[in-house]
Amino acid sequence: TQLLEQSPQFLSIQEGENLTVYCNSSSVFSSLQWYRQEPGEGPVLLVTVVTGGEVKKLKRLTFQFGDARKDSSLHITAAQPGDTGLYLCAGGKHGGGADGLTFGKGTHLIIQP
Amino acid sequence: GAGVSQSPSNKVTEKGKDVELRCDPISGHTALYWYRQSLGQGLEFLIYFQGNSAPDKSGLPSDRFSAERTGGSVSTLTIQRTQQEDSAVYLCASSLGTYNEQFFGPGTRLTVL
Repeated sequence: TQLLEQSPQFLSIQEGENLTVYCNSSSVFSSLQWYRQEPGEGPVLLVTVVTGGEVKKLKRLTFQFGDARKDSSLHITAAQPGDTGLYLCAGGKHGGGADGLTFGKGTHLIIQP
Repeated sequence: GAGVSQSPSNKVTEKGKDVELRCDPISGHTALYWYRQSLGQGLEFLIYFQGNSAPDKSGLPSDRFSAERTGGSVSTLTIQRTQQEDSAVYLCASSLGTYNEQFFGPGTRLTVL
């Protein structure tokens, strides 16, 4: 069974601070996705990274896929209360299908005004 | 365009009763997934459909759980003889992308009393 470990599990910081959350595995993935989930809603896809070492930026969010495609990080600059939510990473394999997507347990992020 | 929709949004039932949860995927998405999310937890994979067939049922927790998909579109997840441990949010997602980018519905919150 492929596992994705996310850390930290919980993070509460003040508005304006920077933070990084991590997603690690011993397995290689063909792609890695980050989702954000707000209370009472389903997860929403933020980004997909597919190339080792790839970096993608989405406004104040920077996503990086590890060179070996086993890990990923999400860095948020100058966090805002609207960034509050559950951040989930999910790893995909070639060939698609449900067994090609493994979800981590998520990082609960709270940004206090 | 319309996203993934699920119904009902909330369901309260008594232990031992059967429940049926519905998912309408995004039009044209051939892949459909069911997940379960317990309070504060990540996503637990249940079952995956490609078209009307379910090549991967490995995540179904017990034989009380079943799912079907007709016409390559709407899917229903049925839980027979519900137990209190079945209480959770049941999420449905559909996918078309090469890298398994999944689009989620808002979920059905099931409470078994």
